[in-house]
Amino acid sequence: DTGVSQDPRHKITKRGQNVTFRCDPISEHNRLYWYRQTLGQGPEFLTYFQNEAQLEKSRLLSDRFSAERPKGSFSTLEIQRTEQGDSAMYLCASSFGTGDFNSGNTIYFGEGSWLTVV
Amino acid sequence: KQEVTQIPAALSVPEGENLVLNCSFTDSAIYNLQWFRQDPGKGLTSLLLIQSSQREQTSGRLNASLDKSSGRSTLYIAASQPGDSATYLCAVPPSGGSQGNLIFGKGTKLSVKP
Repeated sequence: DTGVSQDPRHKITKRGQNVTFRCDPISEHNRLYWYRQTLGQGPEFLTYFQNEAQLEKSRLLSDRFSAERPKGSFSTLEIQRTEQGDSAMYLCASSFGTGDFNSGNTIYFGEGSWLTVV
Repeated sequence: KQEVTQIPAALSVPEGENLVLNCSFTDSAIYNLQWFRQDPGKGLTSLLLIQSSQREQTSGRLNASLDKSSGRSTLYIAASQPGDSATYLCAVPPSGGSQGNLIFGKGTKLSVKP
């Protein structure tokens, strides 16, 4: 078990450029989540997948953001036409669960990908 | 709409003290509550998960309690150590509770002085 892996760990980009982050969840985990965190704040939910299906997207996820999990394993989060307000840490997490989410299951986070838009 | 508040925002204690971190939530109809630890510039580490049917969970020197009716949870850390210095966050599912996301508080930044 190597934990949740995120790449790159740090990204500096110019405003208007596109960036893509990759997340590799813990291998047997069927659920994958993306969160965003700015300094002094708790993480804010962006989207989650169960296997390859994207089940929910937050209103925070504007049409410049897109996330995929094509084979139910790794996931990518792409931000198009980046803005300075996109500067944040993007956190990926995974868990294993069956049935609905109400039973609750421990969620494992990666180390995050820092994005700075200049 | 579910909102999570954590008090205090920051706490500094000498090594060896027992301490309590507080978490309150506005919608008591939650299915579970989780406590996480975050070191500076790092991701989150899950500490304890309390299901709605439980009143507390323990792991080593950590004990978390849950009082759904009052919308509160506490994280008790016994015999604090400098290595406990980190930000502690609590999180609950949103109102309606069926989604797979979590609502986080802003955290309590703990500093344990040697």
